[in-house]
Amino acid sequence: EAGVAQSPRYKIIEKRQSVAFWCNPISGHATLYWYQQILGQGPKLLIQFQNNGVVDDSQLPKDRFSAERLKGVDSTLKIQPAKLEDSAVYLCASSPPRAGGSSYNEQFFGPGTRLTVL
Amino acid sequence: QKEVEQDPGPLSVPEGAIVSLNCTYSNSAFQYFMWYRQYSRKGPELLMYTYSSGNKEDGRFTAQVDKSSKYISLFIRDSQPSDSATYLCAMGNSGYALNFGKGTSLLVTP
Repeated sequence: EAGVAQSPRYKIIEKRQSVAFWCNPISGHATLYWYQQILGQGPKLLIQFQNNGVVDDSQLPKDRFSAERLKGVDSTLKIQPAKLEDSAVYLCASSPPRAGGSSYNEQFFGPGTRLTVL
Repeated sequence: QKEVEQDPGPLSVPEGAIVSLNCTYSNSAFQYFMWYRQYSRKGPELLMYTYSSGNKEDGRFTAQVDKSSKYISLFIRDSQPSDSATYLCAMGNSGYALNFGKGTSLLVTP
């Protein structure tokens, strides 16, 4: 089974520039997450999609960050304009439809995109 | 107060030692408690999860959850150099985003 794919793996930009990240989740996974992981911190949710609808974007800095999930499959995350504090690894994760009961919907993570803002 | 607290370490142990990793949390609504392992420049991968309180064992790994104390632990027996990684505790409810600790950096020396 192919895992979660992300590109690019690395990106270096200057502040005030814009950047976009792409994620292709595992086939059949309805839920997609974007997390931000700053060096030395755990991942923090930016946005959660269920199919192509937004479930939670309460921690997304909407003045500069945007995300979409076209046709409920691939997703893109954009930052415009970037700030120095946006330097982080951006992780995409996906999970299958909920099985019910006490079983856990495992979130499968991609390798991440490491963004450096100079 | 952060929802999930985890000592970032680093923790260095000799090969074969027993490792104990811990997290505390504040939200009593959490039902699932996970441990993820993250190697350098890789995404987190799920080691094991526990639903509600109790213990769970998988090979050399044992996870414990004490909901009354809001405290979770991961024990690694007979630690190996290949266990060297960052261990992230995470918790939440199925179908929702995870709440992660900062991660503990573990180094197992031969």
